[in-house]
Amino acid sequence: GQQLNQSPQSMFIQEGEDVSMNCTSSSIFNTWLWYKQDPGEGPVLLIALYKAGELTSNGRLTAQFGITRKDSFLNISASIPSDVGIYFCAGQPVNYGGATNKLIFGTGTLLAVQP
Amino acid sequence: NAGVTQTPKFRVLKTGQSMTLLCAQDMNHEYMYWYRQDPGMGLRLIHYSVGEGTTAKGEVPDGYNVSRLKKQNFLLGLESAAPSQTSVYFCASSRPRGLAPLHFGNGTRLTVT
Repeated sequence: GQQLNQSPQSMFIQEGEDVSMNCTSSSIFNTWLWYKQDPGEGPVLLIALYKAGELTSNGRLTAQFGITRKDSFLNISASIPSDVGIYFCAGQPVNYGGATNKLIFGTGTLLAVQP
Repeated sequence: NAGVTQTPKFRVLKTGQSMTLLCAQDMNHEYMYWYRQDPGMGLRLIHYSVGEGTTAKGEVPDGYNVSRLKKQNFLLGLESAAPSQTSVYFCASSRPRGLAPLHFGNGTRLTVT
């Protein structure tokens, strides 16, 4: 099945550093979502993007829907220890037939923050 | 407001055994989904439901069955478990409007020996 290419696979940073991660696809998407998964829990929605070029912030998090509609970026500024977790991108391709809300997920970026 | 609740949280099965994973949501969502999460694979859709009494296959449906007898519940069944079904299973729900974000449960970790 189709999957999104998410990078990097993992990041080990110092508290206070900024973080950038991205997702790319060979298909055009009409929505991009970013989720965070804490250990032992389910993914929680961070940011949703619905238009090409859209830039949306949620506190220290900022995400952008790429102009080409084939990629998305998530930035975290001034990281703190509680940012630790796995970050997933998800989206729905334009040509994805069938019922709505059948999302394609990226493989995740593991973020570790050292105090 | 509990959101999406999954039971059990952990389970170990022997090959060939059967079990049912339970998912309940209290948000009155029309759509419900079952995903499995494997290392390096992200989340993959097993089955989904767009309303009470209806179900459909996702990306990896083989070896699983589902039922949606009540709007708030979505059950995932394994009739004859195989080691390849060792995974973490997530249930999710969403509103029916297009592109509405998914709300996930906390997962069920299943090991098949």
